[in-house]
Amino acid sequence: EDKVVQSPLSLVVHEGDTVTLNCSYEVTNFRSLLWYKQEKKAPTFLFMLTSSGIEKKSGRLSSILDKKELSSILNITATQTGDSAIYLCAVAFYGGATNKLIFGTGTLLAVQP
Amino acid sequence: EPEVTQTPSHQVTQMGQEVILRCVPISNHLYFYWYRQILGQKVEFLVSFYNNEISEKSEIFDDQFSVERPDGSNFTLKIRSTKLEDSAMYFCASSVPGSANEKLFFGSGTQLSVL
Repeated sequence: EDKVVQSPLSLVVHEGDTVTLNCSYEVTNFRSLLWYKQEKKAPTFLFMLTSSGIEKKSGRLSSILDKKELSSILNITATQTGDSAIYLCAVAFYGGATNKLIFGTGTLLAVQP
Repeated sequence: EPEVTQTPSHQVTQMGQEVILRCVPISNHLYFYWYRQILGQKVEFLVSFYNNEISEKSEIFDDQFSVERPDGSNFTLKIRSTKLEDSAMYFCASSVPGSANEKLFFGSGTQLSVL
């Protein structure tokens, strides 16, 4: 069965800290891994990773994929209270008729002032 | 920036009633999806829709569920006879054609409460 596992389930940090969120997957015919941020309601897209070892960066956020270890990390440096959210990892795979994503349970990040 | 819009944001219904959740995907997108998230649980795939037909559906998407694209802009999810366990946040999503079509854009969701 295809699955996506995230850790930790939750995390509390102080502003200015650096955090690392983990995602591991077991899927057949892996295509890509995506990170989303979920504040209140809609998941909003952060990164899509398809190639191993190539870091993607957006401001204080960065992410990298390790296809050998079947995992990815999402780093947030100099955290701010606005980073408080649930961070979702999802995997897309080849073979289905469509582009459905399988999601992990998410990591709840709380950044305290 | 274009976005996926969903209405209503909240829907309360009685068990056994029909509900229709509405979505307007991003205009140049060709793939459409419904996902749901039961409180405290994972976001789960329900159905995908492309070229005016269902591409794939999950086990959750039984005969009580249907989707439709009644015109060039709307995409709807109908639950014919709601059950208590249908209570969840329902997300509509869309994606572009082409090589990055697994990058889904999500709407803000409809919180469905079945009483």
